[in-house]
Amino acid sequence: SQKIEQNSEALNIQEGKTATLTCNYTNYSPAYLQWYRQDPGRGPVFLLLIRENEKEKRKERLKVTFDTTLKQSLFHITASQPADSATYLCALAFSSNTGKLIFGQGTTLQVKP
Amino acid sequence: NAGVTQTPKFRILKIGQSMTLQCTQDMNHNYMYWYRQDPGMGLKLIYYSVGAGITDKGEVPNGYNVSRSTTEDFPLRLELAAPSQTSVYFCASGDSFTDTQYFGPGTRLTVL
Repeated sequence: SQKIEQNSEALNIQEGKTATLTCNYTNYSPAYLQWYRQDPGRGPVFLLLIRENEKEKRKERLKVTFDTTLKQSLFHITASQPADSATYLCALAFSSNTGKLIFGQGTTLQVKP
Repeated sequence: NAGVTQTPKFRILKIGQSMTLQCTQDMNHNYMYWYRQDPGMGLKLIYYSVGAGITDKGEVPNGYNVSRSTTEDFPLRLELAAPSQTSVYFCASGDSFTDTQYFGPGTRLTVL
């Protein structure tokens, strides 16, 4: 079965630095990959989507890369701020007909002022 | 737009009791999903629907049932609640044009 791995350890960085989060998967390449942000006690919020034929996507201070050879996605937050502190979830879709997602366990980011 | 709404926010059940978690979306999305999230874990798909009258199992469907009689509503039924069903339940709707999912605020369920 498909397995998705994100760093289970929390990532602590200083304000202003770039945070880099990793998402690795096994077996088949997904049709697309998404990143969500989740704050404590809240539902996930969509951030970015990258498709299998795309290498990189950007949105403001966010950047996602997708390497189907390495079976890995990297999620970058540049000029990080304390307000970026949250859990970030990686999710993979293997069919665009249903939109079904398989989620990683998430990585918690803590940005210190 | 209210987006995706879920009721109740919290609930405590006794073992063997039943309940229905309500989910409603006002974005006219065809796709809807139910997930559960255990502490420190990612989301696991319970059931999903690609349109009114169509439902299918996800990764962890045992102990749950769903129905989809309208585009807006996707209730999740727990029969014979067990402690293993203690979790936070999230409903989401999916935009088939942008492949984006929109999540509700969640229902925190405890089974004692």
